[in-house]
Amino acid sequence: AQKITQTQPGMFVQEKEAVTLDCTYDTSDPSYGLFWYKQPSSGEMIFLIYQGSYDQQNATEGRYSLNFQKARKSANLVISASQLGDSAMYFCAMRSGSARQLTFGSGTQLTVLP
Amino acid sequence: DVKVTQSSRYLVKRTGEKVFLECVQDMDHENMFWYRQDPGLGLRLIYFSYDVKMKEKGDIPEGYSVSREKKERFSLILESASTNQTSMYLCASSIPGQGAGEQYFGPGTRLTVT
Repeated sequence: AQKITQTQPGMFVQEKEAVTLDCTYDTSDPSYGLFWYKQPSSGEMIFLIYQGSYDQQNATEGRYSLNFQKARKSANLVISASQLGDSAMYFCAMRSGSARQLTFGSGTQLTVLP
Repeated sequence: DVKVTQSSRYLVKRTGEKVFLECVQDMDHENMFWYRQDPGLGLRLIYFSYDVKMKEKGDIPEGYSVSREKKERFSLILESASTNQTSMYLCASSIPGQGAGEQYFGPGTRLTVT
């Protein structure tokens, strides 16, 4: 069975600082994909970044990077230079093998302080 | 841009009522999904569909059914609403295949059953 664990229910970061949101996963399938989504208070889920299990390099998208450590089964999201608009709920998710659906973690509520 | 729309942002229904939640996507995506989101539990998959008239149960299908008569539209049906179905419901769509194939989400419907 696939499982995603996010152990930080809430995080605080000072504006302009970097922050790391933790995500660990469990799957027996050698082929999988890892995703991060952002959910502002408005409720809509916004796709941020993707990492494939065979990708050699860590994924980056602007201020977002994914710290992928395959042996540790972790896929932490790093947000550099935090902005007030980054305050939101962040979800880690995984798709295993040929599955169409995603398995989500419980989320981390990030608050950026001015 | 992909657009996924849901029929209502907020809905209040009484126990025992039949409830329809509608989702429409405009990008010709094969896959469509219904999730419910509850605090501390993340997103849990109710049902998904990979083609017209095709559906598969997710992790929590009990008390729900779905309908997909047209490719762009995926409906979630609560046959007899109960208070434990009070939740945020999120619809998503995606294209099949490898790579990111990220899911695009609608704005969500916050359903209250009284």
